[in-house]
Amino acid sequence: GAVVSQHPSRVICKSGTSVKIECRSLDFQATTMFWYRQFPKQSLMLMATSNEGSKATYEQGVEKDKFLINHASLTLSTLTVTSAHPEDSSFYICSPRDSTQETQYFGPGTRLLVL
Amino acid sequence: AQSVTQLDSQVPVFEEAPVELRCNYSSSVSVYLFWYVQYPNQGLQLLLKYLSGSTLVESINGFEAEFNKSQTSFHLRKPSVHISDTAEYFCAVSDRWGSQGNLIFGKGTKLSVKP
Repeated sequence: GAVVSQHPSRVICKSGTSVKIECRSLDFQATTMFWYRQFPKQSLMLMATSNEGSKATYEQGVEKDKFLINHASLTLSTLTVTSAHPEDSSFYICSPRDSTQETQYFGPGTRLLVL
Repeated sequence: AQSVTQLDSQVPVFEEAPVELRCNYSSSVSVYLFWYVQYPNQGLQLLLKYLSGSTLVESINGFEAEFNKSQTSFHLRKPSVHISDTAEYFCAVSDRWGSQGNLIFGKGTKLSVKP
């Protein structure tokens, strides 16, 4: 199957700092990228959808100025959590869509802990 | 609005026993249904999907799921599980396919197969 990497896999940071999470599709081109967040014992919740070269579309309740998404290329997307607070602690998962196969893949996730 | 309910958060079974992971959905429009599996420290992987046609869909590793419109269910079954099936399973629904449709996930069911 397709390979999707996320970096870092785990990060601990102090409150007020910014954290950047990278998502790469290693063997396919992703014209669309979905970013999800998963709280403990909860389902994956879609945060935003981005198309390569365009601004991301955010779901209701997700602050676009806090969660900056960049999808500058077909193989790389980044999510930056700005001025992170403890309530931002969660599991963040990227999901690139392979447009040629109309298939959505998932990264292994990044666990963020804000102290 | 669409939603997915996975009734069991954890399902422990013995090896070679049958298993059923339950999934119910609500949707006012056409649905596309999916089961994803997540092994430890890996991203979600598509197990099987229902888009149209036969209501019984199968995966390559022996799982099957049946779309039941009247009961709004898409339960996942396997007649005989292996230790290697231990993972978390997510049911998901989408109202679109091949475009910008995003997935709505259930909370997941942890399947533990014991020897």
